[in-house]
Amino acid sequence: ILNVEQSPQSLHVQEGDSTNFTCSFPSSNFYALHWYRWETAKSPEALFVMTLNGDEKKKGRISATLNTKEGYSYLYIKGSQPEDSATYLCAFLTGTASKLTFGTGTRLQVTL
Amino acid sequence: DAGVTQSPTHLIKTRGQQVTLRCSPKSGHDTVSWYQQALGQGPQFIFQYYEEEERQRGNFPDRFSGHQFPNYSSELNVNALLLGDSALYLCASSLAPAGGRETQYFGPGTRLLVL
Repeated sequence: ILNVEQSPQSLHVQEGDSTNFTCSFPSSNFYALHWYRWETAKSPEALFVMTLNGDEKKKGRISATLNTKEGYSYLYIKGSQPEDSATYLCAFLTGTASKLTFGTGTRLQVTL
Repeated sequence: DAGVTQSPTHLIKTRGQQVTLRCSPKSGHDTVSWYQQALGQGPQFIFQYYEEEERQRGNFPDRFSGHQFPNYSSELNVNALLLGDSALYLCASSLAPAGGRETQYFGPGTRLLVL
């Protein structure tokens, strides 16, 4: 059974703070890691698909890094804004399956 | 582009009943995956359809079945509903399976409550 863990479970920051979350996954037979942002009452939105060890991806103020050898990925948000408030999910794939295994997410709340 | 759409948005059923959930993929997408998200959990993979066939399946019983139509839309059917089937059911679409490296686009989900 694959175990994808995310920490922290929830996070409360003030506007302008920078923050980061962790996604841990099995390091063996890595294939891809997805990050999603999920705002309340909306559809999960794809942020990044990461495939190579050492990958760094950026989208606006959000960036992510990947370490497949030790089995973790970090998601960073620079200068958090209230609109960043959402649950951030990571999902892991092993082998060539398209079967995403999700973590339980990190719930971020950004206040003024 | 309407993106991925799902219907209905909410549904209430009683134990033992059957339910059908529907999903229309994003324009141009040919692959549909279904996920179940129970309270406090991450989404759990149910199955994936491509070319009208079930290509992969997660750890769900045979009560969960699906179908994909020639226009790539899909249905998820659950028979003999149990209280534990209460969850948010998410549909995701993508282009032809690229071994999991393709971006999946999610719909807003159908919230099912079984009483």
